[in-house]
Amino acid sequence: DQQVKQNSPSLSVQEGRISILNCDYTNSMFDYFLWYKKYPAEGPTFLISISSIKDKNEDGRFTVFLNKSAKHLSLHIVPSQPGDSAVYFCAASDNQAGTALIFGKGTTLSVSS
Amino acid sequence: DTGVSQDPRHKITKRGQNVTFRCDPISEHNRLYWYRQTLGQGPEFLTYFQNEAQLEKSRLLSDRFSAERPKGSFSTLEIQRTEQGDSAMYLCASSLDGIDTEAFFGQGTRLTVV
Repeated sequence: DQQVKQNSPSLSVQEGRISILNCDYTNSMFDYFLWYKKYPAEGPTFLISISSIKDKNEDGRFTVFLNKSAKHLSLHIVPSQPGDSAVYFCAASDNQAGTALIFGKGTTLSVSS
Repeated sequence: DTGVSQDPRHKITKRGQNVTFRCDPISEHNRLYWYRQTLGQGPEFLTYFQNEAQLEKSRLLSDRFSAERPKGSFSTLEIQRTEQGDSAMYLCASSLDGIDTEAFFGQGTRLTVV
């Protein structure tokens, strides 16, 4: 049973517009959430994270929103750029249970110019 | 380059052979993780070290898999008697100690078992 779900396998956006990537989780004990970006043949690169005590975290063009009651988080990229085209993984951890990150299956973002 | 380093980047081996991968974490990071990623999936946790102690192991880590971090610095992951189902990207990551700390990944070792 998947604890972290990214239900959209792919997303296409035009350059300059907003990209919204979504992630749902089932384990209410998760208290730390991260987004990673991955290019082909490379390891995941950390993008942004959020602790469960917050509902929003911003870093430049990237903002992550957390809705604990809905067990939902989203990554907003504004404005989107062609270099943002990659696979985006949502990950979560339960700091009390251990340090392992549980990943979703990823969403492939394509930004066209 | 002070990032996480993995060696080799690619490995092709025949079924039944043993393989060993190496990971050099970011030098000040106490924590080291191994993950496995197959096509269309996100990375799946295999095992975790705090310094030289192996503190967590996933059920995915069968008895053919063994990991070590002898001096709390680099780590090795060995797979004995490889099977075709072991073909995957093996990712190493490291992080600082404490809660809410992000893990930084290496570029991975792509294993193909033929």
